Amino acid sequence: DIQMTQSPSSLSASVGDRVTISCRASRSISDYLNWYQQKPGKAPKLLIYAASNLQSGVPSRFSGSGFGTDFTLTISSLQPEDFATYYCQQSYSTLPVTFGGGTKVET
Amino acid sequence: QVQLQQWAAGLLKPSETLSLTCVVSGGSFSAYYWTWIRQTPGKGLEWIGEVTLSGTTNYNPSLQSRVTISLDTSKSQFALRVSSVTAADTAVYYCARGRILGSTFFDSWGQGSLVTVSS
Repeated sequence: DIQMTQSPSSLSASVGDRVTISCRASRSISDYLNWYQQKPGKAPKLLIYAASNLQSGVPSRFSGSGFGTDFTLTISSLQPEDFATYYCQQSYSTLPVTFGGGTKVET
Repeated sequence: QVQLQQWAAGLLKPSETLSLTCVVSGGSFSAYYWTWIRQTPGKGLEWIGEVTLSGTTNYNPSLQSRVTISLDTSKSQFALRVSSVTAADTAVYYCARGRILGSTFFDSWGQGSLVTVSS
């Protein structure tokens, strides 16, 4: 299985901050990398697919970058509704698809 | 706008079979991968498997011997069965719609169903 490692596991930020979350794959996954946001008691929500493509309806303050093994999710100006846990997911190897361990963004 | 609605399995005893159903409304079954994913505090998000309209299934090798995913288009639903459950199968189970645009991603999710396995 391809292992996905996110860092940090949690971070403290304030409204208006620029936030960066990293995701590293155990081997190259091209751009087969997606990002999700999850709030407590809710299902994950797709933010970014194929490393850098913004899902329809997702605010433009979210952006993704990276290729190969190293990827980044950036929130340009953190809003109150962005406090949540963020997950990366690879689909380069689909048996199985695997997720990162999550990064909790808190105040 | 596609919506996925799950029905909860609740409490199971070890060795029983977990059964969950996900009803799909507002969308087509074709060109998508109808997927089950579970989440635990310890292992995080874990992909269980998928089924397509053609009936093709793919399962996580770690669960393959115990998992069956099926599709019933006449009822607009797909289902998950996990046999011989143990405490390790305690999790929130999600159904989701998978799409491929380069990467395979999950763009619609059910609300989640908490399944607890305990004697």
